Amino acid sequence: GESVGLHLPTLSVQEGDNSIINCAYSNSASDYFIWYKQESGKGPQFIIDIRSNMDKRQGQRVTVLLNKTVKHLSLQIAATQPGDSAVYFCAERPPPRAAGNKLTFGGGTRVLVKP
Amino acid sequence: SQTIHQWPATLVQPVGSPLSLECTVEGTSNPNLYWYRQAAGRGLQLLFYSVGIGQISSEVPQNLSASRPQDRQFILSSKKLLLSDSGFYLCACLGTGKETQYFGPGTRLLVL
Repeated sequence: GESVGLHLPTLSVQEGDNSIINCAYSNSASDYFIWYKQESGKGPQFIIDIRSNMDKRQGQRVTVLLNKTVKHLSLQIAATQPGDSAVYFCAERPPPRAAGNKLTFGGGTRVLVKP
Repeated sequence: SQTIHQWPATLVQPVGSPLSLECTVEGTSNPNLYWYRQAAGRGLQLLFYSVGIGQISSEVPQNLSASRPQDRQFILSSKKLLLSDSGFYLCACLGTGKETQYFGPGTRLLVL
């Protein structure tokens, strides 16, 4: 499959443990943030999003935290499972929104779940 | 919900040959459409986006071009492929009034 992850930072986590993936974003005026999961050979899949007027949002087994002071975004995965093994990308939406609602993507983090 | 189709899934082409990759979208109208390229082990680089039929914005100078002949069709082309055009090409869609871009399954292009 697609060789995503050859040059990416890697997080190894034991099955059942919690995972924390970090992302530093670049534009303090960005108003919307997304986490995507990309499995080998596939397109990125939406996981969870958060707007800049929030600092925390929870989904099913996932939580996104936003710290605007230090321009930091994190994704927490509870009880990590083998199916969580993938590359995770954060994305920010910088202004102006009129410019096609473009996103800026982080470099990605590879998560390896050990049985 | 919207569905994004891309084809072909995999393509091997010789240097200097032309290219046409197609993306079609179902389940939404007047979406923003995007072409990204992803090199092996890398992040996503935005190549083109379109906010409507016939409207194309290019993000980086390159050997590729894009067209949007219909509302839900986005095409990536090249007249003569280079070795450096190899990569994983992803089409994404942003529905009207929505905030989240959703991605298609991608096309893996290998230029030899």
